[in-house]
Amino acid sequence: AQSVTQLDSQVPVFEEAPVELRCNYSSSVSVYLFWYVQYPNQGLQLLLKYLSGSTLVKGINGFEAEFNKSQTSFHLRKPSVHISDTAEYFCAVTDSGTYKYIFGTGTRLKVLA
Amino acid sequence: GAVVSQHPSRVICKSGTSVKIECRSLDFQATTMFWYRQFPKKSLMLMATSNEGSKATYEQGVEKDKFLINHASLTLSTLTVTSAHPEDSSFYICSAFHPRGLDEAFFGQGTRLTVV
Repeated sequence: AQSVTQLDSQVPVFEEAPVELRCNYSSSVSVYLFWYVQYPNQGLQLLLKYLSGSTLVKGINGFEAEFNKSQTSFHLRKPSVHISDTAEYFCAVTDSGTYKYIFGTGTRLKVLA
Repeated sequence: GAVVSQHPSRVICKSGTSVKIECRSLDFQATTMFWYRQFPKKSLMLMATSNEGSKATYEQGVEKDKFLINHASLTLSTLTVTSAHPEDSSFYICSAFHPRGLDEAFFGQGTRLTVV
């Protein structure tokens, strides 16, 4: 069965510094990969997704992620974070063509002034 | 993007009572919707798949008699927590796929249930 690992439960970073949130998934023939952001007491908002094609995916709010098949990773990056980026970030995977999302345990990004 | 709306956003109920949470797809028809539960500092766990016009499919370990799911129309699924207990307190989120494909799920804003 698919699984997703987010190694960091919390990541503190100073404002305007770069950040990387790590995500690894278990190997599969073909997967879709997603990053979602969740603000307190709210639902999930899609940041970006990888379905196929270019391994570097750009999303909203200046975020990007790189799909690395050999390392089964899909790390999220932002070159310069803002206070407003403070939130919980979830990586998710689904076998392509199915509906069942498997979520990681989330990484809390805390941007410090 | 497609919009999925949940209601209520917050609810407090007494132990032993039942609570209904609604999930609506506002600008598309969803034959299938999904209900997740999120524990504090934990990930989202899929509870069940709601199928329009038929019985829901529950994940292993989820009590179908406690978490009643009804998908009576193509735009509405409801989750009823029956005989609620404090341990049912949680954040519940629904999602749906747009008919154009399975490449992105759209999530409701979630419902914070507190059972006192």
